[in-house]
Amino acid sequence: DIQMTQSPSAVSTSVGDSVTITCRASQTIYSYMAWFQQEPGKAPKLLIYKASTLESGVPSRFSGSGSETEFTLTISGLQPDDFVTYYCQQYFTYPYTFGQGTRLEI
Amino acid sequence: QLQLQESGPGLVKPSGTLSLTCTVSGASISGSNYYWGWIRQSPGKGLECIGNIFYDDTGYFNPSLKSRVSMSVDTSKNHFSLRLTSVTAADTGVYFCARLNYEYWRGAYYYYMDVWGKGTTVTVS
Repeated sequence: DIQMTQSPSAVSTSVGDSVTITCRASQTIYSYMAWFQQEPGKAPKLLIYKASTLESGVPSRFSGSGSETEFTLTISGLQPDDFVTYYCQQYFTYPYTFGQGTRLEI
Repeated sequence: QLQLQESGPGLVKPSGTLSLTCTVSGASISGSNYYWGWIRQSPGKGLECIGNIFYDDTGYFNPSLKSRVSMSVDTSKNHFSLRLTSVTAADTGVYFCARLNYEYWRGAYYYYMDVWGKGTTVTVS
């Protein structure tokens, strides 16, 4: 299985700041990376796929970049609703695998 | 608007069988290139893909669970199902169903989960 290493596991920041989350794959996944946002008690919500394509309806303050094994999710101008947990996930090869998650804290 | 809803027992006895159904509304399961999948989440293992199934009942499963997992599609009811046998406490968690949308590149399809159900909690005890 491809291992996804996500960092940091938690980050303290403030409304209006920007934050970058990193995800590393144990082997190349080309650009087959998705990013999800998860609120407590809810299902993950797709934010970005194909490493940098914004899902319809997702605010433009979310952006993704990277290829091969190194990827980032950047959130600019953090809003109060953004302080939840984020996951990366590769879908290049099955079984698709997720990172351990990054929790954003105020 | 596409919606998915999981249903099934919230409590399963050890060594028993976990059975869940995902009912799809707002779109037809059949006649499309989408896969339909199951994912679970537990404090110990995080998010874990269980398996994906096509409307014609073809699919693939996580090798770590493959010997215990089966999935099926009922196009007449527009739902798909999961069965996981010989469950233990390690199978406790929240189970989600999802639609897998696709990209096509150089002769291959790549699937990502774009619509999720709300999830259902299953406890093995």
